[in-house]
Amino acid sequence: QKEVEQDPGPLSVPEGAIVSLNCTYSNSAFQYFMWYRQYSRKGPELLMYTYSSGNKEDGRFTAQVDKSSKYISLFIRDSQPSDSATYLCAMSRMDSSYKLIFGSGTRLLVRP
Amino acid sequence: DVKVTQSSRYLVKRTGEKVFLECVQDMDHENMFWYRQDPGLGLRLIYFSYDVKMKEKGDIPEGYSVSREKKERFSLILESASTNQTSMYLCASSQFANTGELFFGEGSRLTVL
Repeated sequence: QKEVEQDPGPLSVPEGAIVSLNCTYSNSAFQYFMWYRQYSRKGPELLMYTYSSGNKEDGRFTAQVDKSSKYISLFIRDSQPSDSATYLCAMSRMDSSYKLIFGSGTRLLVRP
Repeated sequence: DVKVTQSSRYLVKRTGEKVFLECVQDMDHENMFWYRQDPGLGLRLIYFSYDVKMKEKGDIPEGYSVSREKKERFSLILESASTNQTSMYLCASSQFANTGELFFGEGSRLTVL
């Protein structure tokens, strides 16, 4: 079983929809949680970073961590065609925080 | 803006060849990383360097070596390429090892025939 599970999609939504992207994980030692966005033929770029449980908001993006359920989410409000990309969750332990464990990514398509 | 540059975007090599993948970052970052990205498997850490001439194995170091002679440059070496090393290779750098903020290059797609 993988340490981090992520539905590969693709997830297709109309422009303006609220998008929910999710990851589950098995290692309760994970403390740092990240979401990266990767456009086609580009490297990933960091979108959101959270420590431990709770919510974090940045513009149209909200990251949510539920450590009791070992579940993290990324919500995108008012989705735009420019949000079409692959979204990767990543997480790490406090004692080896440089070592990110990535999900395999969910491909999102926002239709105009 | 942080820039991480991978010198080769696409390479085609034959089995048994020695392959060098070069990565340069321009932000004076201490830490540099090599990942490979495969469909369904996500990104997997090959090697990590936290200082010049210092390196640590990641999750899948077998068949790879690295070199960091200068702070800005981190090279990945495949001593004898094999077909199962066909993949997308991503270099990344970060200022602080204990955060998840990695800056990635655009990737090098390697095909081994």
